[in-house]
Amino acid sequence: GAVVSQHPSWVICKSGTSVKIECRSLDFQATTMFWYRQFPKQSLMLMATSNEGSKATYEQGVEKDKFLINHASLTLSTLTVTSAHPEDSSFYICSARPTGGGSYGYTFGSGTRLTVV
Amino acid sequence: KNEVEQSPQNLTAQEGEFITINCSYSVGISALHWLQQHPGGGIVSLFMLSSGKKKHGRLIATINIQEKHSSLHITASHPRDSAVYICAVRWNSGGSNYKLTFGKGTLLTVNP
Repeated sequence: GAVVSQHPSWVICKSGTSVKIECRSLDFQATTMFWYRQFPKQSLMLMATSNEGSKATYEQGVEKDKFLINHASLTLSTLTVTSAHPEDSSFYICSARPTGGGSYGYTFGSGTRLTVV
Repeated sequence: KNEVEQSPQNLTAQEGEFITINCSYSVGISALHWLQQHPGGGIVSLFMLSSGKKKHGRLIATINIQEKHSSLHITASHPRDSAVYICAVRWNSGGSNYKLTFGKGTLLTVNP
């Protein structure tokens, strides 16, 4: 079945540093990937839609200069949290939509728990 | 505002019980997803449906387009089914935008 690998699964970083999270579709191509943020006991909040070969589309209120998204290939999208601060601590998760859609839907990564100290 | 409502928010059951989780949405959709999120955070896509009914093992998902309502059923529930179940929809008005709108989730706890 479709698998999305997200790495790292957890990371602790110092305030002011940058952290890169990778989302890789292992056995299918994904023209479109999504990045979400989830606070404890809350639902997923879409941050941005990542399209291969073009600029990401950010949701209202999400700082594009802080959350840099690169989708350089059909199997890899990256989210870089720049100059991280403690308030950026959260659970980040990606999902990938197979190119052409498919009948099963979207595949989610296992998430990355970011803690900024 | 396009909304997705789930009920109940929390559900506790005894092992073996039949479980139903409901999802209602406000306007037309092109697809509805049922997702499962375990305590560790990872999300598994259970079903994507736009009409009728789908079954996978002990899980059944149904959707009524006219009533804008979907249900997820779990037969013979087991403690390993304990998780948060999330309903998500793609609106008809989305065009080439494939993003989903999520419900707030239902926390299911199945006791042995």
